[in-house]
Amino acid sequence: QQQVKQSPQSLIVQKGGISIINCAYENTAFDYFPWYQQFPGKGPALLIAIRPDVSEKKEGRFTISFNKSAKQFSLHIMDSQPGDSATYFCAARPSGNTPLVFGKGTRLSVIA
Amino acid sequence: DGGITQSPKYLFRKEGQNVTLSCEQNLNHDAMYWYRQDPGQGLRLIYYSQIVNDFQKGDIAEGYSVSREKKESFPLTVTSAQKNPTAFYLCASSYSPGTSHEQYFGPGTRLTVT
Repeated sequence: QQQVKQSPQSLIVQKGGISIINCAYENTAFDYFPWYQQFPGKGPALLIAIRPDVSEKKEGRFTISFNKSAKQFSLHIMDSQPGDSATYFCAARPSGNTPLVFGKGTRLSVIA
Repeated sequence: DGGITQSPKYLFRKEGQNVTLSCEQNLNHDAMYWYRQDPGQGLRLIYYSQIVNDFQKGDIAEGYSVSREKKESFPLTVTSAQKNPTAFYLCASSYSPGTSHEQYFGPGTRLTVT
C-alpha cells in the first residue's frame, strides 16, 4: 500500500527558531513531492514542491530537503513566525495517473 | 478571478437527508477530487475524476456519489447511507499528470448533520 509517514504530529517552536517536519515513503515510483499549509477553517494551500532529481529547493524561508536513497523529505521553516502556525501536510504523487498520497499532517505552533 | 469555489461554506442537514456539495473551477483543470477532513485528521480521498463523464472511487467512497458532466463542475452528494457525514469537505483540481502536477484546493464546505 502506498503510504507517506509524517512526523511529528505536533510541533511547538519559539519565534525565530527553525521548524522541521519530516516525511518518509516506501514507493520508489513517487515522482513529485509537494507540501501544503492549512490554516483553521481554510483549504490547504500549495506551499512548495520538489521533484526527485533535486536534493533541495528553497523559497524564501521555506526549504525542502530531499534524500532519495533514504526515501525521506523534509520541510524546514527558517526564522519561524507566529503567522506560520498552521497544519502542514506532505504529499507524494505516484507516477502514472493516480492521485496524491498525503501524510497525516503536523500541527505547528510558533510561540513568541 | 480564477480558482476553485465551493458552496456553501457551512451546511446543516437533518439525519436521513441527502445533501449535495458544489465544486466549480475555472482553471481549465482536467482532474478534480473530493476529500474529507475530520478534526485533527489528515485528508482522505472520497472520489476523483480525471476526465468528463468518468470518475473513480477513492479510499472512503461508501455513502457518497459524484458526477462529472462538465469539466468545470464536480458535485458531491452525501447520501443517508454515510454513517458519519459531519466533516469538512474539500474539493481540489489539477491538470492531468504529465503536464503539471500542481493540485489546488478550494476553501471547503463544513457539513453538520444532526
